[in-house]
This record gives sequence, structure tokens and C-alpha cells, in this order.
Amino acid sequence: QKEVEQDPGPLSVPEGAIVSLNCTYSNSAFQYFMWYRQYSRKGPELLMYTYSSGNKEDGRFTAQVDKSSKYISLFIRDSQPSDSATYLCAMNTGNQFYFGTGTSLTVIP
Amino acid sequence: NAGVTQTPKFRILKIGQSMTLQCAQDMNHNYMYWYRQDPGMGLKLIYYSVGAGITDKGEVPNGYNVSRSTTEDFPLRLELAAPSQTSVYFCASSYRLGGTDTQYFGPGTRLTVL
Repeated sequence: QKEVEQDPGPLSVPEGAIVSLNCTYSNSAFQYFMWYRQYSRKGPELLMYTYSSGNKEDGRFTAQVDKSSKYISLFIRDSQPSDSATYLCAMNTGNQFYFGTGTSLTVIP
Repeated sequence: NAGVTQTPKFRILKIGQSMTLQCAQDMNHNYMYWYRQDPGMGLKLIYYSVGAGITDKGEVPNGYNVSRSTTEDFPLRLELAAPSQTSVYFCASSYRLGGTDTQYFGPGTRLTVL
């Protein structure tokens, strides 16, 4: 069983739609949960990180963690063509980081 | 600041050849990481370093070596290249504060082993 599972998509939505991206994990020792955005042929960049269960909002992005279900989500409101990228979830315990395989998102104008 | 820089951008190796992937950061970060990214497999941690002179293995260290003689540089060495090492390699750095940190990634090195 993989440490982190993420639906690879691809996901295609019209501009302005709400996007939901999800990951599940198996290791209950994971403490921090992150979402990265990766544009084609670029390195990942951190969007958000959370520590506890619940929601964290930053502009159009909301990160949600449910530790009891070992499930995390990233919601994107009012999606824009510039949001077209691959989104990677990640989590860590200590110095070891584990990444999901990434979900490819295309926002159509 | 240049951030995290990696050289070369692309490289083709023959089986059995050796090479060093260079990584440098100018943000005075104490933590540095090497990842590989394969299609459909996500990022896998190869090695990491918590400071000059200190390195440790990640999830997939076999076939690789690292050293950290300065805060700024963290080269990754492939001694005997194999086709299984064909991948995109990313270096990252961070300033650890608390249990997690913001990792800044370099642009990547695309390596093909034939």
C-alpha cells in the first residue's frame, strides 16, 4: 500500500468552477499536510500547509484535513486558466516527506 | 536571490557512466533535499541534509551518494548509471521552523540513461 494515494486525473473544468482535489494516506504518524502546484517542466511550489484537522483558507484556496479518515482536500474557488497545473499533496513526519502522484488540472476559458 | 539553482538542465548518460548533479541555494537554508520524479510515481526523496556535514537517506537512496561540505551546495552523485535512474531530479531547500517548512524547489535536471 502506498503511503499517499492521489487520483491522477486528468481533471478538466470550465473557468469559474469549484475544483476539489483529494488525497488519502495510510500513516497515522503524518503530522503536516501540504499542497504544491507544479507547472509543466518546473519545480513544485508550495501553496498551503496545515497541521491540524479542519480547514485553512488562503484567498481562493481552502485546504481541508480529516485525520480521523486520513483524508485531505484542496478546494479552488472561481478557478482560472492560470490554475492549470499539476497539484501534488505531500505530508511529513520528521524529516521524511511523502508526495502523492499529482492531479493534472486544466481550466478551460 | 537566485533561490535554488540546478545544473545541468538536461543530460544523457550511457549505462555505467558517472555524473554529479549540482545544486546550490543562496537563501542560507539549513535543510536541503534531493528528489526524483517519475511519471505517475510522484516525488521520491533520495537524500536529505540538515546542515553542512550531515546527510541522511530518504526513501530511494540506492545508486546515489551525496555530500554537504557547505551550507550552499548539495551535489548528488550517480556512480554507475542505470536505465532505472532515468528521471527528473529536483533539489529543494528549506529553513526548518517547527515540524515542517516551506521547501523551495529548483527547476530540475532531466536525466536519461541509455
